[in-house]
Amino acid sequence: EADIYQTPRYLVIGTGKKITLECSQTMGHDKMYWYQQDPGMELHLIHYSYGVNSTEKGDLSSESTVSRIRTEHFPLTLESARPSHTSQYLCASSWASDGYTFGSGTRLTVV
Amino acid sequence: GENVEQHPSTLSVQEGDSAVIKCTYSDSASNYFPWYKQELGKRPQLIIDIRSNVGEKKDQRIAVTLNKTAKHFSLHITETQPEDSAVYFCAASGGSNYKLTFGKGTLLTVNP
Repeated sequence: EADIYQTPRYLVIGTGKKITLECSQTMGHDKMYWYQQDPGMELHLIHYSYGVNSTEKGDLSSESTVSRIRTEHFPLTLESARPSHTSQYLCASSWASDGYTFGSGTRLTVV
Repeated sequence: GENVEQHPSTLSVQEGDSAVIKCTYSDSASNYFPWYKQELGKRPQLIIDIRSNVGEKKDQRIAVTLNKTAKHFSLHITETQPEDSAVYFCAASGGSNYKLTFGKGTLLTVNP
């Protein structure tokens, strides 16, 4: 089924560790996005990409980085996790000017 | 850049009543206005959207209206049911800016 997939669903990791959150979509969408969201709260855009080899920082300052080497894949990397990074991370994709499809999210806890 | 204001932040209604959530936007170039519903622990899901060449759109119990002159748009839910309880987000985008700017969300509670 065409959808957007995020792994892992839940992650508990120690301070200082490097982590990569995976996001893949099978809908052929050209645009992809990463949002940070505390439960039931605002959606904060941290990174976006309008196509392969194109990435931009979003509105919320973030210590994470992203890459877009393939159309369907948009991983997010934290080089050194900190407790302040504890949050839910939502990946989304869209085609042209259409609405987003969101993934199910990764709930990250840094201890 | 675009700024989207959403009101109210919380809304409690009795089952069967109507609910209205309002949003304003700042960028007159914006031309696409979707609404998302996020149930507890779930991902946001697109429930209805409207483009600037249309003033109103309806889908069963939900409808969205757009006033381009006043730069505001609203979500209307009629005959509310407990399963309508969720956080609702409005958003706007347009011109060469494909990314959506979201409102801060409205927690809707429908009491049985």
